[in-house]
Amino acid sequence: DADVTQTPRNRITKTGKRIMLECSQTKGHDRMYWYRQDPGLGLRLIYYSFDVKDINKGEISDGYSVSRQAQAKFSLSLESAIPNQTALYFCATSQRESADTQYFGPGTRLTVL
Amino acid sequence: AQRVTQPEKLLSVFKGAPVELKCNYSYSGSPELFWYVQYSRQRLQLLLRHISRESIKGFTADLNKGETSFHLKKPFAQEEDSAMYYCAPAFTGGGNKLTFGTGTQLKVEL
Repeated sequence: DADVTQTPRNRITKTGKRIMLECSQTKGHDRMYWYRQDPGLGLRLIYYSFDVKDINKGEISDGYSVSRQAQAKFSLSLESAIPNQTALYFCATSQRESADTQYFGPGTRLTVL
Repeated sequence: AQRVTQPEKLLSVFKGAPVELKCNYSYSGSPELFWYVQYSRQRLQLLLRHISRESIKGFTADLNKGETSFHLKKPFAQEEDSAMYYCAPAFTGGGNKLTFGTGTQLKVEL
């Protein structure tokens, strides 16, 4: 769905560097999410935001931080990247209603050397 | 604790054969249940949502509350069904966030 975009699509960085992944959406959804996908582990929730002033930790938030700059933008930061943060990162959005369908971005492949 | 289990990492079937992708969850309540699919080089997308009871691309899923299962089924597999499938219950409390299973890679062979 082109309404949810992620930048960059691919990134290679070195241990200790600060990295920011960005997500933008034009769907007008209030809820936004960051997941990481690892082989054999599925998708795990890092952070989620139900609106601009409501940000919550997911199951694996250590080593990550987020910023909800506007309804349409939700950024994920790795303050000091480490190799085990090498993964595919997905942003998703959903409506305010409970358990509504989530719409995913194309993913960002991050490699930390 | 709330948990979702997809016991098969890889399921290989022949074209035209029936498919069943297993999903079990542990939860005392009644979660909203979803299946998401990720085709090669495409983004994750909704395949099926229990509450709507739709049949998408020939797939169906029946909720078995007694066994707490939500297996995905299709009577005749097609080559284009090859993909990664995720079961994703939304447990009530904590905003009904999705909890994704570890996924099952379905490979349909000719």
